Amino acid sequence: GQNIDQPTEMTATEGAIVQINCTYQTSGFNGLFWYQQHAGEAPTFLSYNVLDGLEEKGRFSSFLSRSKGYSYLLLKELQMKDSASYLCAVLDSNYQLIWGAGTKLIIKP
Amino acid sequence: DGGITQSPKYLFRKEGQNVTLSCEQNLNHDAMYWYRQDPGQGLRLIYYSQIVNDFQKGDIAEGYSVSREKKESFPLTVTSAQKNPTAFYLCASSPRGTGANVLTFGAGSRLTVL
Repeated sequence: GQNIDQPTEMTATEGAIVQINCTYQTSGFNGLFWYQQHAGEAPTFLSYNVLDGLEEKGRFSSFLSRSKGYSYLLLKELQMKDSASYLCAVLDSNYQLIWGAGTKLIIKP
Repeated sequence: DGGITQSPKYLFRKEGQNVTLSCEQNLNHDAMYWYRQDPGQGLRLIYYSQIVNDFQKGDIAEGYSVSREKKESFPLTVTSAQKNPTAFYLCASSPRGTGANVLTFGAGSRLTVL
């Protein structure tokens, strides 16, 4: 079966750095997405990786290793507004999105 | 501003009743999707539509129905046949229905069955 694993919850301190991991086992691979979702709101797009390596976008970076079935989202200079759930999703060989359960990130002052 | 509007935001239903959730987009996107979100689980696809007057079942279509009569609109009906309908429902759209597309989501509709 297809599977996406993410930690359920993480806690970090304002101003610090946090890394949210995502491992996947899917039927084929056509890219990996990260979305941010504040409680009770719409998920919003953060990043898309299809090639190995690091993609940097401001305070957020996303890394992909296809050989290891592994990605991480790196958040720097954490702000209170970064408290949210972070969803990892993989596009399989049929271009169907397989979603992880999400990682709830709690930021403490 | 372009976006997706879902209504109502909160809905209560008695067992045995059908309810319809509205989803409207003004992004001129071809593809639209309905997802269900439950605590501790990833988003699950209910139905999707790549073009007007056509739609396909997703992973958990049983107990749900949709229509796509207009490009802008993709309403979801939760029927009485859906055994556990209490959930958060998310509508999304993308420019195309094929390839790697970024999804734009609506703010969601929370359905509670009493």
